[in-house]
Amino acid sequence: DAKTTQPPSMDCAEGRAANLPCNHSTISGNEYVYWYRQIHSQGPQYIIHGLKNNETNEMASLIITEDRKSSTLILPHATLRDTAVYYCIVRVGGGSQGNLIFGKGTKLSVKP
Amino acid sequence: DVKVTQSSRYLVKRTGEKVFLECVQDMDHENMFWYRQDPGLGLRLIYFSYDVKMKEKGDIPEGYSVSREKKERFSLILESASTNQTSMYLCASSFDRGREKLFFGSGTQLSVL
Repeated sequence: DAKTTQPPSMDCAEGRAANLPCNHSTISGNEYVYWYRQIHSQGPQYIIHGLKNNETNEMASLIITEDRKSSTLILPHATLRDTAVYYCIVRVGGGSQGNLIFGKGTKLSVKP
Repeated sequence: DVKVTQSSRYLVKRTGEKVFLECVQDMDHENMFWYRQDPGLGLRLIYFSYDVKMKEKGDIPEGYSVSREKKERFSLILESASTNQTSMYLCASSFDRGREKLFFGSGTQLSVL
Protein backbone atom coordinates (compact mmCIF):
# COMPACT_ATOMS: atom_id res chain seq x y z
CA ASP A 1 0.00 0.00 0.00
CA ALA A 2 1.16 3.51 -0.79
CA LYS A 3 2.66 5.66 1.91
CA THR A 4 1.08 8.92 3.04
CA THR A 5 2.61 12.13 4.38
CA GLN A 6 0.69 14.44 6.71
CA PRO A 7 1.76 17.48 8.75
CA PRO A 8 2.23 16.49 12.39
CA SER A 9 -0.04 19.21 13.74
CA MET A 10 -2.45 21.98 12.77
CA ASP A 11 -4.53 24.58 14.53
CA CYS A 12 -7.97 25.80 13.53
CA ALA A 13 -10.31 28.41 14.98
CA GLU A 14 -13.69 27.20 16.13
CA GLY A 15 -16.35 27.73 13.46
CA ARG A 16 -13.84 27.98 10.64
CA ALA A 17 -13.13 25.32 8.05
CA ALA A 18 -10.33 22.90 8.86
CA ASN A 19 -8.40 21.75 5.77
CA LEU A 20 -6.16 18.76 6.43
CA PRO A 21 -3.73 17.87 3.63
CA CYS A 22 -2.34 14.48 2.74
CA ASN A 23 0.29 13.56 0.16
CA HIS A 24 0.20 10.12 -1.43
CA SER A 25 2.38 10.55 -4.49
CA THR A 26 2.91 6.80 -5.02
CA ILE A 27 -0.77 5.89 -4.97
CA SER A 28 -1.86 3.21 -7.41
CA GLY A 29 -4.92 3.33 -9.62
CA ASN A 30 -6.87 0.89 -7.49
CA GLU A 31 -6.02 2.39 -4.11
CA TYR A 32 -8.65 4.28 -2.16
CA VAL A 33 -7.99 7.19 0.20
CA TYR A 34 -9.48 6.72 3.67
CA TRP A 35 -9.70 9.18 6.54
CA TYR A 36 -10.12 8.23 10.17
CA ARG A 37 -9.82 10.29 13.32
CA GLN A 38 -9.03 9.40 16.90
CA ILE A 39 -10.27 11.51 19.74
CA HIS A 40 -8.23 11.20 22.90
CA SER A 41 -8.87 7.96 24.81
CA GLN A 42 -11.20 6.57 22.14
CA GLY A 43 -10.85 4.15 19.25
CA PRO A 44 -10.42 5.52 15.72
CA GLN A 45 -13.57 6.64 13.93
CA TYR A 46 -14.17 6.32 10.20
CA ILE A 47 -14.80 9.65 8.48
CA ILE A 48 -14.86 9.24 4.71
CA HIS A 49 -13.17 7.54 1.77
CA GLY A 50 -12.87 8.01 -1.99
CA LEU A 51 -11.17 6.75 -5.14
CA LYS A 52 -11.17 9.53 -7.74
CA ASN A 53 -14.15 11.78 -7.27
CA ASN A 54 -14.67 14.23 -4.47
CA GLU A 55 -16.87 12.89 -1.72
CA THR A 56 -19.05 14.51 0.93
CA ASN A 57 -20.95 13.11 3.87
CA GLU A 58 -22.41 14.45 7.08
CA MET A 59 -19.01 14.67 8.71
CA ALA A 60 -16.66 16.02 6.07
CA SER A 61 -15.68 16.51 2.45
CA LEU A 62 -12.81 14.78 0.69
CA ILE A 63 -11.12 16.54 -2.21
CA ILE A 64 -8.77 14.39 -4.31
CA THR A 65 -6.54 16.05 -6.91
CA GLU A 66 -6.91 15.01 -10.51
CA ASP A 67 -3.56 13.20 -10.50
CA ARG A 68 -4.58 11.56 -7.19
CA LYS A 69 -1.22 12.36 -5.63
CA SER A 70 -2.75 14.35 -2.82
CA SER A 71 -6.03 14.96 -1.05
CA THR A 72 -7.60 17.30 1.48
CA LEU A 73 -10.07 16.51 4.21
CA ILE A 74 -12.35 19.45 4.93
CA LEU A 75 -14.30 19.90 8.13
CA PRO A 76 -16.54 22.80 7.09
CA HIS A 77 -17.29 24.28 10.52
CA ALA A 78 -14.84 22.93 13.05
CA THR A 79 -15.95 22.59 16.67
CA LEU A 80 -13.96 21.92 19.82
CA ARG A 81 -15.11 18.29 19.63
CA ASP A 82 -13.23 17.92 16.34
CA THR A 83 -9.94 18.15 18.20
CA ALA A 84 -8.34 14.79 17.39
CA VAL A 85 -5.60 13.01 15.47
CA TYR A 86 -6.60 12.60 11.83
CA TYR A 87 -5.22 9.71 9.81
CA CYS A 88 -5.00 9.57 6.02
CA ILE A 89 -4.63 6.02 4.69
CA VAL A 90 -4.40 4.65 1.18
CA ARG A 91 -5.54 1.13 0.68
CA VAL A 92 -6.38 -1.29 -2.06
CA GLY A 93 -10.09 -1.99 -1.96
CA GLY A 94 -12.10 -5.02 -2.91
CA GLY A 95 -11.37 -8.12 -0.96
CA SER A 96 -7.90 -8.12 0.49
CA GLN A 97 -7.09 -8.20 4.16
CA GLY A 98 -8.15 -5.41 6.43
CA ASN A 99 -4.68 -4.18 7.16
CA LEU A 100 -5.14 -0.44 7.30
CA ILE A 101 -1.78 1.10 8.11
CA PHE A 102 -2.28 4.00 10.47
CA GLY A 103 0.67 6.39 10.39
CA LYS A 104 1.23 9.19 12.86
CA GLY A 105 -1.52 11.40 11.46
CA THR A 106 -2.17 15.10 12.00
CA LYS A 107 -3.05 16.35 15.44
CA LEU A 108 -5.76 18.96 14.87
CA SER A 109 -6.37 21.41 17.68
CA VAL A 110 -9.56 23.45 17.40
CA LYS A 111 -9.29 26.58 19.50
CA PRO A 112 -12.08 28.85 20.78
CA ASP B 1 -25.25 2.65 15.08
CA VAL B 2 -22.75 -0.16 15.19
CA LYS B 3 -21.49 -0.90 18.62
CA VAL B 4 -18.18 -2.62 19.30
CA THR B 5 -17.82 -3.36 22.98
CA GLN B 6 -14.59 -4.28 24.71
CA SER B 7 -15.04 -5.95 28.05
CA SER B 8 -12.61 -3.85 30.08
CA ARG B 9 -11.42 -0.26 29.80
CA TYR B 10 -8.42 -0.77 32.08
CA LEU B 11 -6.72 -4.00 33.07
CA VAL B 12 -3.69 -4.69 35.28
CA LYS B 13 -2.07 -8.13 35.14
CA ARG B 14 1.11 -9.76 36.38
CA THR B 15 3.88 -11.15 34.22
CA GLY B 16 3.16 -14.76 33.25
CA GLU B 17 -0.61 -14.53 33.69
CA LYS B 18 -2.96 -15.68 30.96
CA VAL B 19 -5.03 -12.72 29.81
CA PHE B 20 -8.28 -12.68 27.88
CA LEU B 21 -9.49 -9.55 26.10
CA GLU B 22 -13.06 -9.83 24.88
CA CYS B 23 -14.74 -7.97 22.04
CA VAL B 24 -18.37 -8.11 20.96
CA GLN B 25 -20.03 -6.41 17.99
CA ASP B 26 -23.77 -6.13 17.52
CA MET B 27 -24.17 -5.58 13.76
CA ASP B 28 -23.59 -9.05 12.32
CA HIS B 29 -20.25 -8.03 10.83
CA GLU B 30 -18.20 -10.67 9.07
CA ASN B 31 -14.78 -9.24 9.86
CA MET B 32 -13.17 -8.59 13.19
CA PHE B 33 -9.69 -7.29 14.04
CA TRP B 34 -7.37 -6.81 16.98
CA TYR B 35 -4.85 -3.95 16.97
CA ARG B 36 -2.46 -2.61 19.55
CA GLN B 37 -1.54 1.04 19.75
CA ASP B 38 1.72 2.31 21.21
CA PRO B 39 3.08 5.87 21.29
CA GLY B 40 5.19 6.58 18.22
CA LEU B 41 4.28 3.28 16.57
CA GLY B 42 0.67 3.89 15.56
CA LEU B 43 -1.81 1.02 15.28
CA ARG B 44 -0.44 -2.41 14.49
CA LEU B 45 -2.56 -5.36 13.44
CA ILE B 46 -2.23 -8.46 15.64
CA TYR B 47 -4.85 -10.87 14.27
CA PHE B 48 -8.00 -10.71 12.22
CA SER B 49 -10.88 -12.99 11.30
CA TYR B 50 -13.15 -13.08 8.27
CA ASP B 51 -15.48 -15.76 9.58
CA VAL B 52 -16.36 -17.88 12.57
CA LYS B 53 -13.54 -20.23 13.60
CA MET B 54 -11.29 -18.56 11.08
CA LYS B 55 -8.23 -16.48 11.96
CA GLU B 56 -5.34 -14.86 10.15
CA LYS B 57 -2.08 -13.47 11.51
CA GLY B 58 -1.50 -9.77 11.21
CA ASP B 59 1.80 -7.96 11.46
CA ILE B 60 2.67 -8.78 15.07
CA PRO B 61 1.03 -12.06 16.15
CA GLU B 62 3.86 -13.33 18.35
CA GLY B 63 2.79 -13.86 21.93
CA TYR B 64 -0.91 -13.69 21.08
CA SER B 65 -3.68 -16.03 19.99
CA VAL B 66 -7.33 -15.46 19.15
CA SER B 67 -10.64 -17.25 19.29
CA ARG B 68 -13.79 -16.71 17.27
CA GLU B 69 -16.40 -19.28 18.26
CA LYS B 70 -19.36 -17.01 17.49
CA LYS B 71 -19.73 -14.39 14.79
CA GLU B 72 -20.22 -11.52 17.19
CA ARG B 73 -17.34 -12.29 19.55
CA PHE B 74 -13.58 -12.12 18.96
CA SER B 75 -11.24 -12.80 21.84
CA LEU B 76 -7.55 -11.93 22.10
CA ILE B 77 -5.49 -14.18 24.37
CA LEU B 78 -2.10 -13.44 25.86
CA GLU B 79 -0.89 -16.91 26.82
CA SER B 80 1.79 -15.65 29.20
CA ALA B 81 1.69 -11.89 29.61
CA SER B 82 4.95 -9.97 29.45
CA THR B 83 5.79 -6.36 30.25
CA ASN B 84 6.30 -5.55 26.55
CA GLN B 85 2.64 -6.35 26.00
CA THR B 86 1.64 -3.32 28.02
CA SER B 87 -0.36 -1.36 25.47
CA MET B 88 -3.74 -0.05 24.33
CA TYR B 89 -5.64 -2.85 22.61
CA LEU B 90 -8.30 -1.95 20.08
CA CYS B 91 -10.90 -4.25 18.58
CA ALA B 92 -12.61 -3.40 15.30
CA SER B 93 -15.19 -4.90 12.96
CA SER B 94 -16.33 -4.33 9.41
CA PHE B 95 -19.25 -5.49 7.34
CA ASP B 96 -17.46 -7.67 4.84
CA ARG B 97 -14.17 -8.23 3.12
CA GLY B 98 -13.01 -5.31 1.05
CA ARG B 99 -15.06 -2.76 2.92
CA GLU B 100 -12.55 -0.95 5.03
CA LYS B 101 -15.01 1.10 7.01
CA LEU B 102 -13.88 -0.19 10.36
CA PHE B 103 -15.81 0.35 13.55
CA PHE B 104 -13.59 0.45 16.62
CA GLY B 105 -14.23 -0.22 20.27
CA SER B 106 -13.08 2.23 22.93
CA GLY B 107 -9.99 0.18 23.70
CA THR B 108 -8.53 -1.68 26.66
CA GLN B 109 -5.46 -0.20 28.34
CA LEU B 110 -3.53 -3.23 29.56
CA SER B 111 -0.69 -2.87 32.02
CA VAL B 112 1.50 -5.90 32.69
CA LEU B 113 3.57 -5.56 35.86
